[in-house]
Parts: sequence; C-alpha cells; structure tokens
Amino acid sequence: TQLLEQSPQFLSIQEGENLTVYCNSSSVFSSLQWYRQEPGEGPVLLVTVVTGGEVKKLKRLTFQFGDARKDSSLHITAAQPGDTGLYLCAGYYTGTASKLTFGTGTRLQVTL
Amino acid sequence: SAVISQKPSRDICQRGTSLTIQCQVDSQVTMMFWYRQQPGQSLTLIATANQGSEATYESGFVIDKFPISRPNLTFSTLTVSNMSPEDSSIYLCSVMDGTDTQYFGPGTRLTVL
Repeated sequence: TQLLEQSPQFLSIQEGENLTVYCNSSSVFSSLQWYRQEPGEGPVLLVTVVTGGEVKKLKRLTFQFGDARKDSSLHITAAQPGDTGLYLCAGYYTGTASKLTFGTGTRLQVTL
Repeated sequence: SAVISQKPSRDICQRGTSLTIQCQVDSQVTMMFWYRQQPGQSLTLIATANQGSEATYESGFVIDKFPISRPNLTFSTLTVSNMSPEDSSIYLCSVMDGTDTQYFGPGTRLTVL
C-alpha cells in the first residue's frame, strides 16, 4: 500500500504568519495535486505539479515538487483567515493512471 | 471544469437500512469515482465507476456493501447497504476530465444510529 504522509497534521497560526506543509512518499509520482477543502464542501484543486523540481505560485501560495518526484511542499505567505481549511496533497503514482491517492491531510486554522 | 451535485446532502439513518446517494454531473464524463471521508480525515477511494462496465472496487470495499450504478455519462449512484454506525462518514463523488483533473461534489454526510 502506498502512503502519502502529510505534516503537520494540524496547524493553528495567527494572521500574517508564514507556514509550510509537507507531503512525502516513498514512491514516485507521475504528477501531484494540492487541494483545499472547506467544511461542507468537496476538495477544490489548487495546483498540479508534474516536473521534478517544479515550482508554481498561486498568489500567496507556493508549491514545490521534489526533484525525485517523491515529495512536495506548500508554503503560504502571510496567512489569512480565508486560508483556513483542510489541505490535501494527492498523487498519481507511476503506473496507476487515473487512481488518485490522497495524503493524510493538514488542517489549517488561521486566527485574527 | 465540471459542476457536480449530490443528493441527499445529509441523512440520518437507522442501522440495518440502506441509503442510495445520487451524483449528477453537468457534462458527460467517462470516469467517475466514489470516495469516503471520515470526519476530519482524508479521502479513501471506494470504487471507480465507468459507464458501460462494472465498477472497480478498492481493497476493503465490496459490491454487496456498496453497489454502484452508472447508467449514463452524467449520473451515478452509490448505495450503502445494511448500514452500521461505522458507515457514518462523508461520501463524495468525483469526475475526471481530459487533463486528469478531478472535480468533487459537495459530499453527502451520513450518520448511522
């Protein structure tokens, strides 16, 4: 069974702080996605990374894919209360096309 | 992108009964998926439902417990059969577009008493 571990599991920070969420696996991804989920809703795709070493920016969010395509990170600059939610990484492992494996999740709470 | 709706949005059921969850998509899609998400936790894939073929179930999930229908390219149902409190969870359907992007419905929150 392939595992996608996220850390930390829970993060509570104040508005304006920076944070980084990590997503790690022992296996290689063909591509990796980051989702955010708010209560009562389904996950919403934030970004897809495909190339090892790739860095993508989405406003205050920076996503990085590891060189070996086994890990990824999400960095949020100057967090805002609207960033509160469950962050999930999810990957397509090489050879398992169409089957998305989700990470363990990181619950972020940003307070004023 | 795809817009997905699910019915019901939530339900409270008695143990031993069954509940059928509907998933409707606003466009034709080949691949649909059903996930389970226990409160505060991540998503676990139950099965992949492709139109015109039997659903493919993941380890730990069986057709007798979670029968799935996929009558056309815009609709699917998941039934949770002979429910027990352990089935209390959020059930989500999703679809995949041509770029391998998955879009999720809002989920069905099930509580079994």
